[in-house]
Amino acid sequence: EVQLVQSGAEVKKPGESLKISCKGSGHSFTTSWIAWVRQKPGKGLEWMGVIFPGDSDTRYSPSFKGQVTMSADKSINTAFLQWSGLKVSDTAMYFCAIINSGYPEAWIDPWGQGTLVTVSS
Amino acid sequence: DIQMTQSPSSLSASVGDRVTITCQASQDITNSLSWYQQKPGKAPKLLIFDASNLETGVPSRFNGRGSGTDFTFTISSLQPEDIATYYCQQYDNLPLTFGGGTKVEIK
Repeated sequence: EVQLVQSGAEVKKPGESLKISCKGSGHSFTTSWIAWVRQKPGKGLEWMGVIFPGDSDTRYSPSFKGQVTMSADKSINTAFLQWSGLKVSDTAMYFCAIINSGYPEAWIDPWGQGTLVTVSS
Repeated sequence: DIQMTQSPSSLSASVGDRVTITCQASQDITNSLSWYQQKPGKAPKLLIFDASNLETGVPSRFNGRGSGTDFTFTISSLQPEDIATYYCQQYDNLPLTFGGGTKVEIK
């Protein structure tokens, strides 16, 4: 069974750094894209970007470029999303998900369970 | 970026009713459209890809159709377990974009 397991909920202060993780199993981690999707409380889904763990090719949504960094360590089947200076407006649920295709322009399935990030002073 | 306009934003229907949601793309996306179901507190779940293909294991009461810029998603007979928010998503071009969502409730 293809599965993504994300790291646990985080509570941080504005300006702090954070790195959350997404560990894959049951599929070839190096031949699928991993997408990151943000969902603010009570709001819709926002596509942040994708990374191809095989060669770390990364494509960011213009809305998130420069705001976050995506990375991956294929030796441990894990993708990461990190911030260097969190803002209160980063408070959201963050999902990772698989794009089971050789190219990033495809449907997204399956999804991780989500990581809730709360930023508050 | 391709804008996806989804309507209605919410609807209330009775068990057994036919429910229809529409999604309009700001430009031609051929059939590069998927539909997701998200229940409260859960991750989204893929229901339909390539506009009309049902994902394995998804009940046949869910249906999608359309191409170009106009798409519809239908639940032929609403069931209590279908209470959720539904999203369309285009994957014709990066950045991938989602519709605003439709919250489906039982009347």
